[in-house]
Amino acid sequence: EVQLVESGGGLVQPGGSLRLSCEASGFSLSHYWMNWVRQAPGKGLEWVANIKQDGSEKYYVDSVKGRFTISRDNAKNSVYMQMNSLRGEDTAVYYCVRGVGSGRTFGYWGQGTLVTVSS
Amino acid sequence: DVVMTQSPLSLPVTLGQPASISCRSSQSLVYTDGDTYLHWFQQRPGQSPRRLIYKVSNRDPGVPDRFSGSGSGTDFTLKISRVEAEDVGVYYCMQGTHWPPFTFGPGTKVDIK
Repeated sequence: EVQLVESGGGLVQPGGSLRLSCEASGFSLSHYWMNWVRQAPGKGLEWVANIKQDGSEKYYVDSVKGRFTISRDNAKNSVYMQMNSLRGEDTAVYYCVRGVGSGRTFGYWGQGTLVTVSS
Repeated sequence: DVVMTQSPLSLPVTLGQPASISCRSSQSLVYTDGDTYLHWFQQRPGQSPRRLIYKVSNRDPGVPDRFSGSGSGTDFTLKISRVEAEDVGVYYCMQGTHWPPFTFGPGTKVDIK
């Protein structure tokens, strides 16, 4: 069974940092693009970043460029998001999402981890 | 960036009746390979999103056949032939043709009258 389990969320002050983790099981991570998608409380979905199978390509939404870094460790079947200089508008549930094929669509979603940025 | 719009944003429906959601993109979603990367996701209350339809009209495994997708270019539609109670939730269209960034519509909330 395919599973994506996020962890690392929590309460952090503005300007602080967090590192999210996504542990995959039931499939080999090395075959897939992986994404982070977030959802602010009561709001819609926003794609945040993705990373190619071998980690050679990474892309970000403009609002997080220079602050967030996506990475992966295929040997550990895990994807990460280092989040620095956090702002109130980063408050959201962060979902780890598996890409499909060339990465132009999304398949499995994790259950999400809540990040709250507040003083 | 490609802007995705949806209408209506709220859709009260009667059980057993049809429902239709429109999604429009600010530019054509036809990719150079000839495919159109427009997808539909359902998010039930308290749950993670799940994909229903990929590349305009292809239903995912396990998705009831009362769900159908259609459209081309910049105009797309998700139809539910007969709404059931389990269909309550928010529906999002998403484009994967012109990325980064991937972009979602604002969502359409479907509930029962």
